[in-house]
This record gives sequence, structure tokens and C-alpha cells, in this order.
Amino acid sequence: SQQGEEDPQALSIQEGENATMNCSYKTSINNLQWYRQNSGRGLVHLILIRSNEREKHSGRLRVTLDTSKKSSSLLITASRAADTASYFCATRTGGFKTIFGAGTRLFVKA
Amino acid sequence: DAGVTQSPTHLIKTRGQQVTLRCSPKSGHDTVSWYQQALGQGPQFIFQYYEEEERQRGNFPDRFSGHQFPNYSSELNVNALLLGDSALYLCASSLASGSGETQYFGPGTRLLVL
Repeated sequence: SQQGEEDPQALSIQEGENATMNCSYKTSINNLQWYRQNSGRGLVHLILIRSNEREKHSGRLRVTLDTSKKSSSLLITASRAADTASYFCATRTGGFKTIFGAGTRLFVKA
Repeated sequence: DAGVTQSPTHLIKTRGQQVTLRCSPKSGHDTVSWYQQALGQGPQFIFQYYEEEERQRGNFPDRFSGHQFPNYSSELNVNALLLGDSALYLCASSLASGSGETQYFGPGTRLLVL
């Protein structure tokens, strides 16, 4: 079974709006990462947040982590049509295995 | 700076056949991981290679095997193909001596088993 589960499964917004995606996981983690995938191509690493961090920013991205609730959120501010993609959270619990969720499909309408 | 490359981009095979997929890591990277991504799903970890050895494996049968070469490139072999092996196969590279968590992905090989 997958460690991370994203919510919602799909999200459709207008350009300029904010998009929020959530991820829940089951076991303790070392870190949590968010990746983007365009149209079934390779994944692009967006941001990594460690288990001792609560919030992290990168450009228009803001990630939060709540280890007590085993959840994370990714906020994309001022969305653009180019942000249309699938977004995945990924966790590492130890060792070298990265576990991905099923993803949130974001569609930004121009 | 060359990123992760994979070949071929697309492949069609029939049930029972064998397939070999190839991956060249990002320049300077020494670790390669392989993932299987079914349509509409997230990537599933197959295994990771470092120093030419498989150092962790996911929940995949022995039909899935791999190899890493001295130049850090890697191959994924799948024997006795099943229809369910149809998927996008992704290779990701990273640097073992660094944090190791950030992976750089190739564009993938799309395999269709008929």
C-alpha cells in the first residue's frame, strides 16, 4: 500500500487563484517531498521538508508539515496555466525507498 | 549538464517476452533508482542501485532485475512479461554522498505489453 495519500484527487481552478493539495501518510518519516509531473513525463522535484521543520517556502510554493497529524500541504499561490500537472507527495521512512502517493491532478484554466 | 536520460522512449512487447530498459544518470550522480508508474497512479519503487549493487528492493517479483555499470548507468530487465507490466518506467538518479533524498527523474520509458 502507498504511504502517502493526496487529497483531492483532482482540482480545477482559475488562473490567479491559489491551489492547495494535502498529503497524509501512515508511519514516521525522515522527510517529505513534493514532485510535479507533466502529462505522464518524468517527475520534477519541487521541495523537501524535513521531519523537524514545520513550514518551507520556495517561490510561489509553500509547504507545511504536521508530524502529529501525519500530514502535509502544498500551496501554490497565484496559479498559472503552466502549473497544470499532477502533484505527488513522497516520503522516506528510513533506508533508500521513496514511497509516492497517487497524486493530485491540478488543472488551471486560463 | 546532461540530465537523466532513458532509452527507448516507447516499447511494445508481447506476453512472455523479455525487455531491457536503459538509464544514464545525471552527471556526477552515482545512485540509480527504478520506478514503475501505472496509468493514473503514483510511481512504485522497484529497486535502487549503488556501487553496482542492489541495495534496496520494493515489492516486485524476481522477474524484475537490474544492473549498474561502473559508469553508473543502469539497466532494468523484466522477464516473462505480463499484461500488467504495461506502465511508464522511470529512472531517477541521486548522489549518495549528499542528502540522497532529492532525485532527478528521466522522461521514462512507456512499455506496452500485448
